[in-house]
Amino acid sequence: GQNIDQPTEMTATEGAIVQINCTYQTSGFNGLFWYQQHAGEAPTFLSYNVLDGLEEKGRFSSFLSRSKGYSYLLLKELQMKDSASYLCAVRDSNYQLIWGAGTKLIIKP
Amino acid sequence: ETGVTQTPRHLVMGMTNKKSLKCEQHLGHNAMYWYKQSAKKPLELMFVYNFKEQTENNSVPSRFSPECPNSSHLFLHLHTLQPEDSALYLCASSQDTSGSYEQYFGPGTRLTVT
Repeated sequence: GQNIDQPTEMTATEGAIVQINCTYQTSGFNGLFWYQQHAGEAPTFLSYNVLDGLEEKGRFSSFLSRSKGYSYLLLKELQMKDSASYLCAVRDSNYQLIWGAGTKLIIKP
Repeated sequence: ETGVTQTPRHLVMGMTNKKSLKCEQHLGHNAMYWYKQSAKKPLELMFVYNFKEQTENNSVPSRFSPECPNSSHLFLHLHTLQPEDSALYLCASSQDTSGSYEQYFGPGTRLTVT
């Protein structure tokens, strides 16, 4: 079966750095997405990785290792507005998106 | 605003009712999706339309019936639902169903079946 694993919940302090991990086992791989979802709102796209390595976008970076079936989302200089759920999704060999259950990130002052 | 709108935002219906959810995208995309989101569970893909043709139906019960009259509009017709169908129903669109195209989501319809 296909599976995406993420921690259920994480807590971090305002101004700090947090890393949210995602491991996947899918039939084939055609890219990995990270989305942010604030409570009661729609998921919004954060990043896309298809090749190994780090993609940086402002305070957010995403890393991919295809050989390890592993990705992480790195959030720097945390702000209170970063409190949200972070969803990892992998596109499989049929180009279908397989979603993780999301990681709820709580930021404390 | 993501360019994808959904109505209604909230819906309470009895198990014998018939209702419809509506989604509209203003992005010129060719693919549209229905997802079900339940608490602490992964997003469940229900239906996919690409260029108005249904390309995915992930073993969804027949009490959910999609309709895609054109590339900009998507409906989900509901009838004789069960309490376990209570969830957030999200519509999304993308340029295509392949490659690096990200999906843009609407705000969702919070459905409660009583």
